[in-house]
Amino acid sequence: QVQLQESGPGLVKPSETLSLTCTVSGDSLSSYYWSWIRQPPGKGLEWIGYIYYNGDSDYDPSVKSRVTLSVDTSKNQFSLMLSSVTAADTAVYFCARLTTEADDYNNYHYVMDVWGQGTTVTVSS
Amino acid sequence: ETVMTQSPATLSVSPGERATLSCRASQSVSSNLAWYQQKPGQAPRVLIYGASTRATGVPARFSGSGSGTEFTLTISSLQSEDFAVYYCQHYNNWPLRITFGQGTRLEIK
Repeated sequence: QVQLQESGPGLVKPSETLSLTCTVSGDSLSSYYWSWIRQPPGKGLEWIGYIYYNGDSDYDPSVKSRVTLSVDTSKNQFSLMLSSVTAADTAVYFCARLTTEADDYNNYHYVMDVWGQGTTVTVSS
Repeated sequence: ETVMTQSPATLSVSPGERATLSCRASQSVSSNLAWYQQKPGQAPRVLIYGASTRATGVPARFSGSGSGTEFTLTISSLQSEDFAVYYCQHYNNWPLRITFGQGTRLEIK
């Protein structure tokens, strides 16, 4: 059974860099995409970006200038770095596996099928 | 950028009744649409992908329909465990981009 676990500091000061790691157990990083998603308090879900096991990545335009995703296959982990944080970056951060699934017509679709439990990050001095 | 708009923001339904949730895309997204359920304090869980295909383990009372710009999630007979927030989610194939709707809160009437 695949499990994902986020880890990292729960408190980050404004203007500093937020760093989180997602550890994958029960499966290999290979052959999947891996995503980060966040949820500000009382609000909806925001997709941050994805990384492939080979290091290919892309990000949502709203955070692209501040985000870096990386992967460490030897540790079966992938990581998020978000620079120059402000209070608006306060959120629960989730990592998720992004896979492809065939529908009833044999068309393939991206699906976030396994999620971590989420970790709360507060930006405050 | 495709904007996903869900309605209503809150839906009050009695257990055993049918719930119908809507999601509209600002431009055609074909069938690249998924639905997720999120309960308080939990991570989201995928229910439907490809607009109408149930994910593994999802009860048959959940069904999805639509294509293009109009989509619907129907829960045929609400159980107590179904009261949660539901998000629709679109993905763009290339470049890969994922966009969520703002969510519909399904509450007990």
